[in-house]
Amino acid sequence: AQSVTQLGSHVSVSEGALVLLRCNYSSSVPPYLFWYVQYPNQGLQLLLKYTSAATLVKGINGFEAEFKKSETSFHLTKPSAHMSDAAEYFCAVSGQGGSEKLVFGKGTKLTVNP
Amino acid sequence: KAGVTQTPRYLIKTRGQQVTLSCSPISGHRSVSWYQQTPGQGLQFLFEYFSETQRNKGNFPGRFSGRQFSNSRSEMNVSTLELGDSALYLCASSLDRQGGSPLHFGNGTRLTVT
Repeated sequence: AQSVTQLGSHVSVSEGALVLLRCNYSSSVPPYLFWYVQYPNQGLQLLLKYTSAATLVKGINGFEAEFKKSETSFHLTKPSAHMSDAAEYFCAVSGQGGSEKLVFGKGTKLTVNP
Repeated sequence: KAGVTQTPRYLIKTRGQQVTLSCSPISGHRSVSWYQQTPGQGLQFLFEYFSETQRNKGNFPGRFSGRQFSNSRSEMNVSTLELGDSALYLCASSLDRQGGSPLHFGNGTRLTVT
């Protein structure tokens, strides 16, 4: 069974600062990993996904994530935060067994201070 | 392409009533999943449908049910509503059931049970 732990339910950064959102996963099989973003009163939007093609994955809006098998981590980063990045971010994992069941972390709410 | 459409956006129901939520997936997508999102429990998987068949089911009571039609549109029904059913219900579609297929989410239906 897969599971995801997101460290820090709230992260606050200044505009222009580095964004680092942490995600650790547990999976008995090679996983697919995803980061989604949710803006207020909206659904989830896919930021990026890892499917074993490359360990460093680039997504939309300048975000990227690095898959580290030895650390079972898939942290999300962005070099310079923008006010529009304020949202809730979810890490998710699924197995390769053909199931569409994504298991989500509890989410990290990102605040960007001017 | 139009995104995932969920109707209605907001619903207010009374305890004991039943409710039906509707989801139209992205054209060509055959898999539809439903998630419940609450502040306390986060995102929890309800069920997944593919080609009109339920393929996966989460840990929810039998009061929660769903179905998928031949055009891939899906509905979920909650009977005998309880206060704890108040949540954002998210529908997501994907092209197929391959593990790496990302889910595309609608904006959700906000259900309030009074």
